Amino acid sequence: DAGVIQSPRHEVTEMGQEVTLRCKPISGHNSLFWYRQTMMRGLELLIYFNNNVPIDDSGMPEDRFSAKMPNASFSTLKIQPSEPRDSAVYFCASSPTAREAFFGQGTRLTVV
Amino acid sequence: KQEVTQIPAALSVPEGENLVLNCSFTDSAIYNLQWFRQDPGKGLTSLLLIQSSQREQTSGRLNASLDKSSGRSTLYIAASQPGDSATYLCAVDNNDMRFGAGTRLTVKP
Repeated sequence: DAGVIQSPRHEVTEMGQEVTLRCKPISGHNSLFWYRQTMMRGLELLIYFNNNVPIDDSGMPEDRFSAKMPNASFSTLKIQPSEPRDSAVYFCASSPTAREAFFGQGTRLTVV
Repeated sequence: KQEVTQIPAALSVPEGENLVLNCSFTDSAIYNLQWFRQDPGKGLTSLLLIQSSQREQTSGRLNASLDKSSGRSTLYIAASQPGDSATYLCAVDNNDMRFGAGTRLTVKP
């Protein structure tokens, strides 16, 4: 298995634009997590899914952020409209029933 | 809400030293605790996973312990090497995964 795959690896966008981050979890994993990492706040859990259903989205900072998991092999995190303070590295992780988490390489987002 | 604290925030040691990284958490009702390594600009690599029923796990020069009742875990690195330089993060899982802020380790040749 190729592991958790995130795309794009880097994204530079202008303030106000819509940004979509993508994640392909490891096949067979039933939990998926989205995290944001900044120097100031470290790793913050944004939302997690279990069997494609959002379980806890209390970490999503604002209504500008939304996440979907239409099927077991794909998830998106969307920011609309984007703002400079959204600049961070966004990680996706997946976990099997045994709950060991495996992380993707992250998407480095820069909003100018 | 689970809070995870890692001490120290940064650590610099000469090559060859044994060292201990600490992680504490406020809610002991966890499924497991996981230690990760993150290299600058990279993703997270899982090092060790300790299930709630376990006391420790070992992998090579790494040993992680878990004392669930006191809300503590330690990561012991034996005979440190410059290649061990990275940020080490612990994460606790009680329905979701919460991370500490990490310990930035530098091993000097």
